[in-house]
Amino acid sequence: DVKVTQSSRYLVKRTGEKVFLECVQDMDHENMFWYRQDPGLGLRLIYFSYDVKMKEKGDIPEGYSVSREKKERFSLILESASTNQTSMYLCAGGEMNTEAFFGQGTRLTVV
Amino acid sequence: LAKTTQPISMDSYEGQEVNITCSHNNIATNDYITWYQQFPSQGPRFIIQGYKTKVTNEVASLFIPADRKSSTLSLPRVSLSDTAVYYCLVGDRGNTPLVFGKGTRLSVIA
Repeated sequence: DVKVTQSSRYLVKRTGEKVFLECVQDMDHENMFWYRQDPGLGLRLIYFSYDVKMKEKGDIPEGYSVSREKKERFSLILESASTNQTSMYLCAGGEMNTEAFFGQGTRLTVV
Repeated sequence: LAKTTQPISMDSYEGQEVNITCSHNNIATNDYITWYQQFPSQGPRFIIQGYKTKVTNEVASLFIPADRKSSTLSLPRVSLSDTAVYYCLVGDRGNTPLVFGKGTRLSVIA
């Protein structure tokens, strides 16, 4: 079974903290994605990467950065967490506009 | 990217066939139509993808008319476990990533 694994299911952080969300895939895919999901807004793309050390902004990159040092790992970084970044974060790996595999998600609460 | 429009919610009884229609009036020649399913507290899961006419797999069927301006996901004989949000996505297989809308929340009732 292909797998995308996110390091935490639940996370609580304080405002102003630097937060790292880790995602690892075992599928050898070039493409990896980070989304956030909020009630009533659906999934929104934050960043994606189509190769090691490559990154592209999605629809809502403000307040976030990413790191892709190895093919299997794609990290989302909240430079200074704020309460409006409380959300469900979903990582995916796979092909562009075809089958992508999602992790279980990380529910982040910023207090 | 082609914009998609689908109903916000639908209800169905167990055992019925459910059809969810998605409109994508400005679909481009190179675009494919992809559907995902998402259960509560899980990431979305790929269901089916098609370009034209009809595609069927063990989970669902996808009907695409000749003008490709809409598509219909058909779930045969739904059960309570099919209660989920279903997303319709349209895009090419180039360098543009998956763009999700708000999806259709399907509730299956016993």
